[in-house]
Amino acid sequence: DIQMTQSPSSVSASVGDRVTITCRASQGISSWLAWYQQKPGKAPKLLIYAASSLQSGVPSRFSGSGSGTDFTLTISSLQPEDFATYYCQQANSFPPVTFGGGTKVEIK
Amino acid sequence: EVQLVESGGGLVQPGGSLRLSCAASGFTFSSYEMNWVRQAPGKGLEWVSYISSSGSTIYYADSVKGRFTISRDNAKNSLYLQMNSLRAEDTAVYYCARTRLPLWFDPWGQGTLVTVSS
Repeated sequence: DIQMTQSPSSVSASVGDRVTITCRASQGISSWLAWYQQKPGKAPKLLIYAASSLQSGVPSRFSGSGSGTDFTLTISSLQPEDFATYYCQQANSFPPVTFGGGTKVEIK
Repeated sequence: EVQLVESGGGLVQPGGSLRLSCAASGFTFSSYEMNWVRQAPGKGLEWVSYISSSGSTIYYADSVKGRFTISRDNAKNSLYLQMNSLRAEDTAVYYCARTRLPLWFDPWGQGTLVTVSS
């Protein structure tokens, strides 16, 4: 199975900050990577797919990059509604689908 | 509006059984592959099972293989998860999620909580 490792596990940031989250795959997954946002008590929401494609309706301050084993989710200017937990997910090798452990973005 | 609504969660004793349902609306259910994904309290996401649009192809996570059964009724726009021989470690919120090809999950239902405890 492909292991997905996210870092950091949590980050404290202020409104307006630029935030970067990293996801590393245990083997190459080309661009078969998605990012999800999950707010407390809510279901995850697809933000980015195919490593860098923005899901419809997602603000442009979110961006994704990377290919192979190393990927990044960037929030260019953190907004109050962005405080949440973010997960990466690989879709290169199935079954199983695997997720990263999550990164919690907290208010500084 | 595309909507997925799970039901059937609850408290069950270890070794017991439970059947989850997911009612789909707002899209042609029979055209989409579907999944169950779970999240233990305070933990991350774990994919549980996949079913193709026709139901002919099914996959399970190793952690539930042999105990859980996924199925669907396209006439009723419904997805199911039959869970047998439940263990404490199966305690989680269970989400149904539509597959967006190739294998992204969008959207997700609101989830249903399964608690396995004596």
